[in-house]
Amino acid sequence: LAKTTQPISMDSYEGQEVNITCSHNNIATNDYITWYQQFPSQGPRFIIQGYKTKVTNEVASLFIPADRKSSTLSLPRVSLSDTAVYYCLVGDMNNNAGNMLTFGGGTRLMVKP
Amino acid sequence: DTEVTQTPKHLVMGMTNKKSLKCEQHMGHRAMYWYKQKAKKPPELMFVYSYEKLSINESVPSRFSPECPNSSLLNLHLHALQPEDSALYLCASSQLTSAFSSRDTQYFGPGTRLTVL
Repeated sequence: LAKTTQPISMDSYEGQEVNITCSHNNIATNDYITWYQQFPSQGPRFIIQGYKTKVTNEVASLFIPADRKSSTLSLPRVSLSDTAVYYCLVGDMNNNAGNMLTFGGGTRLMVKP
Repeated sequence: DTEVTQTPKHLVMGMTNKKSLKCEQHMGHRAMYWYKQKAKKPPELMFVYSYEKLSINESVPSRFSPECPNSSLLNLHLHALQPEDSALYLCASSQLTSAFSSRDTQYFGPGTRLTVL
């Protein structure tokens, strides 16, 4: 059973706002929701993390509804350099060491001129 | 310093070779991780160390042997690899709460691109 479900790919244009939604129906009470960005041949980079409602930092916003069964990463005014794979992660209590993060399939964002 | 470094950046090895990948962090993190990533796939967890002890081995073949000499260093020893082991190998580290928590942000290194001939 997948922990998270995201669209496989999305296209956008420079200057637009991009919203990527992640479904995590089985999220546990103490789970945080974390988003990472990965460029080709580089390690994933932390973007934002939240538990409920809305979180904003200098690069993105994260919207989490009251039931926490989904979350939406919002990237304002994307540029070509935002072309990357975006991963949504929640905990995985099935791991024998505790609530570890498990990467889902990710969303491949292509920003066009 | 929020950097995780990995060496080498690229490695080509034959199936009979023995080589090692190295990872280093100076953030005081007590959890360190090895991931394997194939092209166009998400990272797959291989090993986790907490307080220099192996906490998780995700059923990784014995031709991969991890080592954590101290809290800042993590090695992955490679021996008798197969061509299908060619991948990007990522190291990460994180703070460690009393138990692993989804709140613990992982910091990743740039990876080692491994090619097995």
